[in-house]
Amino acid sequence: DTGVSQDPRHKITKRGQNVTFRCDPISEHNRLYWYRQTLGQGPEFLTYFQNEAQLEKSRLLSDRFSAERPKGSFSTLEIQRTEQGDSAMYLCASSSARQRGDHGYTFGSGTRLTVV
Amino acid sequence: AQSVTQLDSHVSVSEGTPVLLRCNYSSSYSPSLFWYVQHPNKGLQLLLKYTSAATLVKGINGFEAEFKKSETSFHLTKPSAHMSDAAEYFCVVSDSGSQGNLIFGKGTKLSVKP
Repeated sequence: DTGVSQDPRHKITKRGQNVTFRCDPISEHNRLYWYRQTLGQGPEFLTYFQNEAQLEKSRLLSDRFSAERPKGSFSTLEIQRTEQGDSAMYLCASSSARQRGDHGYTFGSGTRLTVV
Repeated sequence: AQSVTQLDSHVSVSEGTPVLLRCNYSSSYSPSLFWYVQHPNKGLQLLLKYTSAATLVKGINGFEAEFKKSETSFHLTKPSAHMSDAAEYFCVVSDSGSQGNLIFGKGTKLSVKP
């Protein structure tokens, strides 16, 4: 296990369609985070899990967005009824709770979503 | 609320010359500050972090940053730029209002000319 894996790398979808992204964190990391990065901006926090519990959600996460981490391992982020404004890079990161305050995030390479 | 401001959206230097990427932060307490680098089609990589220990922080690839509370700054420097340093750099503060989530600046694109 060499890092955080995200799938797919790229996704092009038509407006109104649903999309789902997957993130596989580093196996010993119990925290998992989703961020969104739009063109010319820094990443913005969306949500995070500790094990299978979703502990925090940003107000950026509208009702069309849902994230799960059913067994405390991989996570999925689903966007329903996609809009052009959803076009962005979706980044996943993981860390260990033991590193809280010391910060040990590892980011994946991201999934680039284009809504046409 | 915490925030960071990266003062330059784009910095261009010649190979072998010094690099300075500027960052100012806003925080009502002693923050944790970081610099990340993002190469095209690659994940964000942590360059260095400040967590209230030494104010001069050394990172990977010859980068370092100095925490200056009086100036609320955390500028990133490198004595001699290399072509491989060309990338997007983000100044980041840890969000005290959440479980250590990160607040990113808008980024500075570093170009290195041969």
